[in-house]
Amino acid sequence: DAGVTQSPTHLIKTRGQQVTLRCSPKSGHDTVSWYQQALGQGPQFIFQYYEEEERQRGNFPDRFSGHQFPNYSSELNVNALLLGDSALYLCASSLVEWGETQYFGPGTRLLVL
Amino acid sequence: AQSVAQPEDQVNVAEGNPLTVKCTYSVSGNPYLFWYVQYPNRGLQFLLKYITGDNLVKGSYGFEAEFNKSQTSFHLKKPSALVSDSALYFCAVRDMDFNKFYFGSGTKLNVKP
Repeated sequence: DAGVTQSPTHLIKTRGQQVTLRCSPKSGHDTVSWYQQALGQGPQFIFQYYEEEERQRGNFPDRFSGHQFPNYSSELNVNALLLGDSALYLCASSLVEWGETQYFGPGTRLLVL
Repeated sequence: AQSVAQPEDQVNVAEGNPLTVKCTYSVSGNPYLFWYVQYPNRGLQFLLKYITGDNLVKGSYGFEAEFNKSQTSFHLKKPSALVSDSALYFCAVRDMDFNKFYFGSGTKLNVKP
């Protein structure tokens, strides 16, 4: 049973560019959440998707957007990249019910130059 | 507002000795509390969670955590530390109303031979 997978593992972009990160949830999971983890900090919640809709959103600008597909996989898009967007981006999947554990993927490390 | 505090940036312990990693929380309503571990350049791995019931929760790799409602704490413990336990540990609380996870800033555990 495959866990949460993310692609790519590493990415280098320049300021102003756009990036798309991808996530496949753990088998049987229907909910995907995205987090940004800056160096030396804890993960910060970006948003969560369920039934192909954004359910909740953290304090991130509209440059951060996402999508969930019918097979529950998800994409995170970031437009107009800033140097401060450099971070490890983590995807987590879970079932929608309360108390369910979120399982994390290995992350995508984004470097913006 | 929901929040989690990990008051120690780093904890040092000798192999074979007991370890404690501290976490305090602030939530409205009943807390759903989690511990995750992160190894270098890896995603977060689930260790254990408290939803309800027994205040002492047992998790993976011999770790356990004690929920203390009066002190709003959820400290992670292990009776005998291993060098391989050296990693970054995150405490998290799940917001019941908005389905978000809030993470602490992390505590680096160093276990010396």
